[in-house]
Amino acid sequence: GQQVMQIPQYQHVQEGEDFTTYCNSSTTLSNIQWYKQRPGGHPVFLIQLVKSGEVKKQKRLTFQFGEAKKNSSLHITATQTTDVGTYFCAGFNAGGTSYGKLTFGQGTILTVHP
Amino acid sequence: EAQVTQNPRYLITVTGKKLTVTCSQNMNHEYMSWYRQDPGLGLRQIYYSMNVEVTDKGDVPEGYKVSRKEKRNFPLILESPSPNQTSLYFCASSSGQGRNTIYFGEGSWLTVV
Repeated sequence: GQQVMQIPQYQHVQEGEDFTTYCNSSTTLSNIQWYKQRPGGHPVFLIQLVKSGEVKKQKRLTFQFGEAKKNSSLHITATQTTDVGTYFCAGFNAGGTSYGKLTFGQGTILTVHP
Repeated sequence: EAQVTQNPRYLITVTGKKLTVTCSQNMNHEYMSWYRQDPGLGLRQIYYSMNVEVTDKGDVPEGYKVSRKEKRNFPLILESPSPNQTSLYFCASSSGQGRNTIYFGEGSWLTVV
């Protein structure tokens, strides 16, 4: 079945440093979504990418979707302590079956030292 | 206010005692789904529903049942809970067959002893 691998599992940065998490799928995705989960909280939707090679920005966050629609990345510029949390990618398979099955990566836990 | 509401939020139960975790959304979403979250494994989809009376298995459906009799409700049923079902459970909903913003509930902590 479809697998989505996310690396790194943990990332510790000093405030002001940049951060990147990567997501790789074993199958072609129809779209990819990114979520942030604060400690003790629930996942919160950040963005969805649909087109091959798509790049979207939200303030200090930059999201990319690979040309083959099998990988994606989230880059945070100049991290702040408010960026602390776990970042997940999730994708729907591009195949015709199991249209609503959403597979998550394992997540990257980001800690930011002030 | 857009909401996905789960109950109970916390539950300790014993092996074999049937339980139901309710989920309700007020956004008229067609798509609803259940996930479990375990350390190091991320979120894994248990079941999803594309609309009323339409449900399908996710990646980890064993030991769970769901029903979708009404658009707003999507209960998760554990007929005979076992300790390996101890986990944090999230319900979620979305429009556009899941291809729009997915809203998550606050989560339900379930412990099976």
